[in-house]
Amino acid sequence: ETGVTQTPRHLVMGMTNKKSLKCEQHLGHNAMYWYKQSAKKPLELMFVYSLEERVENNSVPSRFSPECPNSSHLFLHLHTLQPEDSALYLCASSQLLSGSGANVLTFGAGSRLTVL
Amino acid sequence: KQEVTQIPAALSVPEGENLVLNCSFTDSAIYNLQWFRQDPGKGLTSLLLIQSSQREQTSGRLNASLDKSSGRSTLYIAASQPGDSATYLCAVFTRGLVFGAGTILRVKS
Repeated sequence: ETGVTQTPRHLVMGMTNKKSLKCEQHLGHNAMYWYKQSAKKPLELMFVYSLEERVENNSVPSRFSPECPNSSHLFLHLHTLQPEDSALYLCASSQLLSGSGANVLTFGAGSRLTVL
Repeated sequence: KQEVTQIPAALSVPEGENLVLNCSFTDSAIYNLQWFRQDPGKGLTSLLLIQSSQREQTSGRLNASLDKSSGRSTLYIAASQPGDSATYLCAVFTRGLVFGAGTILRVKS
C-alpha cells in the first residue's frame, strides 16, 4: 500500500454509461494528478491539481471530467467514453506541485478501465 | 514540449549481469528526474530521484546518474536478479512528471 488508494481497481463500462474513478491520499500532499497509461504508449499526464485548483489540463477530451473536492480526494468522472479510452488510469500525489527538486510523486495502483 | 525517450525498449539478460538503461529528455529545465519500476498490471514504485542539482543517486544495487546539460540519465543495475524483471520508467518533473515509454527488462535465471 503506497498511501494512495484508487477505486475501483477494475471497471467495465459501455459507451453510454457514466462512471467515476476515485483517488484518495492520506499523505498530507497538496498536489494530485491523473495519468493515463495505454498499451505500448508512455504515461500521459491528464490533469494536475494543486491545493484543489486545476492547474493543468493536457488537451483531454471533455468526456473526462476531473473533480478535486479537497486535498485528499480526486475524482475522474467518465461519460460517453470510446473504446480507445480503455487504459490504466493512475492517480498520483506529491507534496508540492513544482519549484522543488525533492518533489516526489507517489502513485496509486491504478484503475483498469475497459470500454465496450 | 518535453519529450522523454528510453533505450532500449526491451532487454533480456541472464541473471548476474550488470546492465544499463538509458533515458534522454529534450528540455533540460527540469526540477528532478525519477526512475520508477512497474510490475505487470500494477502501479508505479519510485526507485530513485535525482534533483536537478545532483549528479547521481544510489540505492542498493541501483545507481542513477543525471547529466542535465546533455539531457541524459542512466540507471545502472548491478548483479541483476530474476526479481528485477519489470518495466523501468524514466520521468522528468516540470509541471507534473513526463514519462518515457519504458524499458521492459527480463532477467533469466
